[in-house]
Amino acid sequence: AQSVAQPEDQVNVAEGNPLTVKCTYSVSGNPYLFWYVQYPNRGLQFLLKYITGDNLVKGSYGFEAEFNKSQTSFHLKKPSALVSDSALYFCAVRDPQYSSASKIIFGSGTRLSIRP
Amino acid sequence: GAVVSQHPSWVICKSGTSVKIECRSLDFQATTMFWYRQFPKQSLMLMATSNEGSKATYEQGVEKDKFLINHASLTLSTLTVTSAHPEDSSFYICSATKGQSNTEAFFGQGTRLTVV
Repeated sequence: AQSVAQPEDQVNVAEGNPLTVKCTYSVSGNPYLFWYVQYPNRGLQFLLKYITGDNLVKGSYGFEAEFNKSQTSFHLKKPSALVSDSALYFCAVRDPQYSSASKIIFGSGTRLSIRP
Repeated sequence: GAVVSQHPSWVICKSGTSVKIECRSLDFQATTMFWYRQFPKQSLMLMATSNEGSKATYEQGVEKDKFLINHASLTLSTLTVTSAHPEDSSFYICSATKGQSNTEAFFGQGTRLTVV
């Protein structure tokens, strides 16, 4: 069964500093990995995805993530944090060996707080 | 773009009544839609996977007769919470995919259900 773990409930970073939000996964085959962001009382917004190819993927709002197969990780990063980046971030995985109806499973979420 | 519209954004209903939540893909055909439930400060819990024209696949522990899902067209899925009780109060979120497992899911804005 596929699963996703986000080991940190909260990450606090000063504005202008680099940020990292951690994610590890477990699937039976090669995974499809996603990062989403959620603002209060809103749905999720897609940030980026890894399907295949270059391990470093770039997404919206200056975010990027690095796929590391040996460590089964897909950490979200940004070189310089903004206060407006403060939100709830979810890592998600989809097992491609199943059909298009394969489930998207989410991690527990990490609350990112950027202080001015 | 890919826009998913969820309606209503919030609803208050009396205990024992039923509530219908709609999820529409506005600019694409969604072969698969997912329904999630999110408790405060928690992750998204997948309730069911809905495929157009077929019965929904429910996750373990989710009552099929209580959470009725209908996916009658490629652009509309509905979730009906039947005989709602206060413990059903939650944030319900739908998402839709374009039909390939390597694509991201697009989310509705969520529905805040309060049962009084």
